[in-house]
Amino acid sequence: KAGVTQTPRYLIKTRGQQVTLSCSPISGHRSVSWYQQTPGQGLQFLFEYFSETQRNKGNFPGRFSGRQFSNSRSEMNVSTLELGDSALYLCASSLAGIAGGGSYNEQFFGPGTRLTVL
Amino acid sequence: KQEVTQIPAALSVPEGENLVLNCSFTDSAIYNLQWFRQDPGKGLTSLLLIQSSQREQTSGRLNASLDKSSGRSTLYIAASQPGDSATYLCAVKTSYDKVIFGPGTSLSVIP
Repeated sequence: KAGVTQTPRYLIKTRGQQVTLSCSPISGHRSVSWYQQTPGQGLQFLFEYFSETQRNKGNFPGRFSGRQFSNSRSEMNVSTLELGDSALYLCASSLAGIAGGGSYNEQFFGPGTRLTVL
Repeated sequence: KQEVTQIPAALSVPEGENLVLNCSFTDSAIYNLQWFRQDPGKGLTSLLLIQSSQREQTSGRLNASLDKSSGRSTLYIAASQPGDSATYLCAVKTSYDKVIFGPGTSLSVIP
């Protein structure tokens, strides 16, 4: 079974631009969560999508948005990029999502997209 | 507000030693706790998931315990190997359906 895939793996943008990152979950998983990882703040939860609906959201500004398609693939968009948005962006998939019970909420992570904002 | 801490921040041990990594959380109302390892510049690999009703989980040389009442979890690694060198993170799922990660413990196993 293929794991979680993320594209692109590396991205360089300049301030003010926007960027779209993509995540394909494990087949059969309906939940996709996004995280931002930086040396200073560690891993921080951005949002979770389940069955094309945003089910949960972290404390990030509205410049960060996402969506999920009917095949469970998810995209994350960051508009008006700032230098502080440079980070490793990770997505994770699970069967039932963060709100699911039992082992159905075990999260499996992709390799991440390294975003550098110049 | 749930806060997760991990001690120590970094650990260096000789190969073959048994070791314990600690994870503490401030709110005992959690649904589960998951341990991950992360290799430099890579994503996270799930190691063990402990449900709130469980006391421990084992996988190979790894054993994770959970004590909700004291807000603590430990990850025990037996007979450490150089390939175990990585950053180990714990994450708790809270009653508000959020996942909070600890800052991680950087482990180095010296051959």
